[in-house]
Amino acid sequence: GAVVSQHPSRVICKSGTSVKIECRSLDFQATTMFWYRQFPKQSLMLMATSNEGSKATYEQGVEKDKFLINHASLTLSTLTVTSAHPEDSSFYICSAENPTSGSTDTQYFGPGTRLTVL
Amino acid sequence: AQSVAQPEDQVNVAEGNPLTVKCTYSVSGNPYLFWYVQYPNRGLQFLLKYITGDNLVKGSYGFEAEFNKSQTSFHLKKPSALVSDSALYFCAVREGRDDKIIFGKGTRLHILP
Repeated sequence: GAVVSQHPSRVICKSGTSVKIECRSLDFQATTMFWYRQFPKQSLMLMATSNEGSKATYEQGVEKDKFLINHASLTLSTLTVTSAHPEDSSFYICSAENPTSGSTDTQYFGPGTRLTVL
Repeated sequence: AQSVAQPEDQVNVAEGNPLTVKCTYSVSGNPYLFWYVQYPNRGLQFLLKYITGDNLVKGSYGFEAEFNKSQTSFHLKKPSALVSDSALYFCAVREGRDDKIIFGKGTRLHILP
C-alpha cells in the first residue's frame, strides 16, 4: 500500500509554455499532498502543501501564480508550471500522507518528474 | 524552527562492512525523525522513522537507526553493506505530526565491491 505515481516522468518544453504534472495516490485517499523541488545534488525544497478541496499553502518565496496547484480529488493533485523558463528546469516530486495507515506522520513519495525548459 | 544536518556529503564503505550515515537535528519539542533513500532519477523511498518508544528503530532493507536524545542524533546504520545500498540518503525531521517535514541535504553512499 501507499503507492504514489507521477505523470509524466520526463517533460521537455519550450520557454513560455505551461506544463502540468499529475500526482496520484494509487491505493489510498490522500487528503494532503506535498510538492517538492529538487535541484541537482541538493536536498528537497518544499514548495507547497495541497489540501483536497481547498487552496494550497505555499512556502515563502514560491510564486503561487507561477506554480498552480489543484487538489480536486482525494487521489489527484496537479502542479502546473505556467510560462515556464529555463530556470524552472528541475526535478519535481510529490508526496502524500496516508491517513488510513494510522501514521499520517509518514509521507510517501512519487517517482518524480524531470522538467527541462529549453 | 527545526533543522537537520547531514555532515557528510559522501560516505564510502567496502561491501560487507558496517555502514553509518550521520544525522543530527534541532527541534524545540519532541522530534519525528525519518530516513529516506533515493535511487537515481527516482523519488524517495521511506526507510524508517522514530516517533516514540524504543530508541533503536528497524526499517527496510536491513537498515536501522538509533535515536540519541542527548546527542540529538539519528544515525542510520547497517551491519553489512551491499553494493545495491549505493544511493542518496536523506534524514528528515518534523516537529509535530502536522508540521512540515525538513530534509537534510543528503549523503551519497558508495558501497565498493
